[in-house]
Amino acid sequence: DAGVIQSPRHEVTEMGQEVTLRCKPISGHDYLFWYRQTMMRGLELLIYFNNNVPIDDSGMPEDRFSAKMPNASFSTLKIQPSEPRDSAVYFCASSFGGMPNYGYTFGSGTRLTVV
Amino acid sequence: KQEVTQIPAALSVPEGENLVLNCSFTDSAIYNLQWFRQDPGKGLTSLLLIQSSQREQTSGRLNASLDKSSGRSTLYIAASQPGDSATYLCAVGEYNNNDMRFGAGTRLTVKP
Repeated sequence: DAGVIQSPRHEVTEMGQEVTLRCKPISGHDYLFWYRQTMMRGLELLIYFNNNVPIDDSGMPEDRFSAKMPNASFSTLKIQPSEPRDSAVYFCASSFGGMPNYGYTFGSGTRLTVV
Repeated sequence: KQEVTQIPAALSVPEGENLVLNCSFTDSAIYNLQWFRQDPGKGLTSLLLIQSSQREQTSGRLNASLDKSSGRSTLYIAASQPGDSATYLCAVGEYNNNDMRFGAGTRLTVKP
C-alpha cells in the first residue's frame, strides 16, 4: 500500500483565495482525520470521519473551513477565504476500526502558506 | 480534558549515548499510547504503539514503556545515531474517543 497520500505537498496562495487540500486514505481504513500543525499550537485535530460521515468537527476553527469525504478513498479540506493565520502544515491520517486498536497512519502533509 | 506533556522540549546528545524521552498524561484512563517520529518538513512516522494492557513495546534500538497508573511513558533509544535526529511525539488514545491527544514533542539532536 502506498500509505496515506496528500496533495499538494506545498501550496502558496494569496489571502482571500480558496484553497483545497486533498487526501487519499489507506485502502480499507474506515477512519480519516485532518490535523493542523503549527509551531505555536502543535498538532490540532480539525475533523474526523467514520465511513465517510463527519463525526466530530469541533476542531474546525471557523466557517471558512469545510471538509468533505464523498467516498472511502478521498477527502478534501477547503479554506475559503484563506487568511495568513491559516499558514500551517495540514496532515491527513487514517486508521482501521478506530484509533484505539491500531493507531494512526499519517500522510506527508501539505505545507500551506497564505501571503 | 487530557493533557499530554513531553519533557524536555529539546535534547542534544553525542553519538552512541543511550537516552530516554519522557511523556506524561493527566488522565490515566487511556486506551493506548503511540510514539511517532517527525523529520523536518516531513510527516509523522509511527514508531511504537502500546495498548493499555501492555507495559512495553520494542522495535530494534527503541523501547517504549507505559505506566498508566502514574500517567507516564518513556521512549528509550539505545546507542543513538545521528540519523535518530528528529522530533519525537507521543500521542494518547482514550476510551470512547477516536481522537488522539498529542504532546508538543521532543526535538532530538544526536551529534557525530
